[in-house]
Amino acid sequence: ETGVTQSPTHLIKTRGQQVTLRCSSQSGHNTVSWYQQALGQGPQFIFQYYREEENGRGNFPPRFSGLQFPNYSSELNVNALELDDSALYLCASSLMGASDEKLFFGSGTQLSVL
Amino acid sequence: AQSVTQLGSHVSVSEGALVLLRCNYSSSVPPYLFWYVQYPNQGLQLLLKYTSAATLVKGINGFEAEFKKSETSFHLTKPSAHMSDAAEYFCAVSGQGRRALTFGSGTRLQVQP
Repeated sequence: ETGVTQSPTHLIKTRGQQVTLRCSSQSGHNTVSWYQQALGQGPQFIFQYYREEENGRGNFPPRFSGLQFPNYSSELNVNALELDDSALYLCASSLMGASDEKLFFGSGTQLSVL
Repeated sequence: AQSVTQLGSHVSVSEGALVLLRCNYSSSVPPYLFWYVQYPNQGLQLLLKYTSAATLVKGINGFEAEFKKSETSFHLTKPSAHMSDAAEYFCAVSGQGRRALTFGSGTRLQVQP
């Protein structure tokens, strides 16, 4: 049990729609990262938020966007969904600057785009 | 830039046998290296990490890994496999800025009774 919770656990959308995925960080963590894990692949870094600002981005198009709120919860928004967006989306929180900084992952949201 | 290669997408061992999962990395800066485990329908759990201290790193559940700079390797081992070790294992590297992890494609470990 990592203390990182994601909702919903499963989601089905159709191509062209928009989706919002939510993440509640572990208490005291100030940083949240989002990863996309396609079937049979390792997770790929989408972006990271630190103190409500984007703090790094992977090779994902602008239709992937995010928010981090003052309570350090977070959202991942994906516009104009494509079939290839079908994947497990993982959220991970951490305490930036900690002497033993670690990522704590949630169980993910499984997104299916039809 | 950094990357990770995991050799062998599937590894099968007998219960009680040695577990060896291979990982080679490429990094333009001194790397931080990680091993994560993923059980079905769950997120990733950190097994161990290397951050330029001791080259032999001990983790949870009896796993350990050795950083070998000359071989650019960070292989994961466990002396005696348990049935509960059956899962997907990911090697990861983080480089400059330490903001993001780059994961390998994973190795699925099967443990036979």
